[in-house]
Amino acid sequence: QVQLVESGGGVVQPGRSLRLSCAASGFTFSAYAIHWVRQAPGKGLEWVAVISYDGNNQYYADSVKGRFTISRDNSKNKLYLQMHSLRADDTAVYYCARDFDVYDGSGYFGKWGQGTLVTVSS
Amino acid sequence: EIVLTQSPATLSLSPGERATLSCRASQSINNYLAWYQQKPGQAPRLLIYDASNRATGIPARFSGSGSGTDFTLTISSLEPEDFALYYCQQRSNWLFGQGTRLEIK
Repeated sequence: QVQLVESGGGVVQPGRSLRLSCAASGFTFSAYAIHWVRQAPGKGLEWVAVISYDGNNQYYADSVKGRFTISRDNSKNKLYLQMHSLRADDTAVYYCARDFDVYDGSGYFGKWGQGTLVTVSS
Repeated sequence: EIVLTQSPATLSLSPGERATLSCRASQSINNYLAWYQQKPGQAPRLLIYDASNRATGIPARFSGSGSGTDFTLTISSLEPEDFALYYCQQRSNWLFGQGTRLEIK
């Protein structure tokens, strides 16, 4: 079955960096765009970034542009989110989510991981 | 930037009742809207895509309607497991509405 498993979360000081990973299984990873979506404690869902199925295109929310980088390794079925210059308002559960449809995708989030918590605090 | 506004923020109903959740877009998004359900401590789950299509495995009591700027998620007869958070999302810039909390009255 389709599985997305995030890892790499933890407590980090403001201004530091952290890299999240998402391991995929149960589907053809290289055929799907993958997103990062986050949720601050007690708050709603916020889309963060997306990478195309082939890794050639990436888009970011304004709140993270210039600080976060999304990437993927299709040979390893893995997605990454490199986060720099972390701020307190980056504190959230970070989910990786597979697009609903293959290749160019649908823009909807068909499958989700269980999330990894990032806490930015001194 | 297209903004989605959900109403009400909280909806209090009893099992067996009909629930109607609203999502309004700041400009036309055709039918490019999805609905998600999120239960405490869980990841969201896709319920409806392209405004009215149920995702695989979603019960028939869930239905979506609307196009342009006004959209509705209807749960025809609430089951105990339906009390949760619901989010709408549009695919143009992947943004979500702020959510509606469906709670037991």
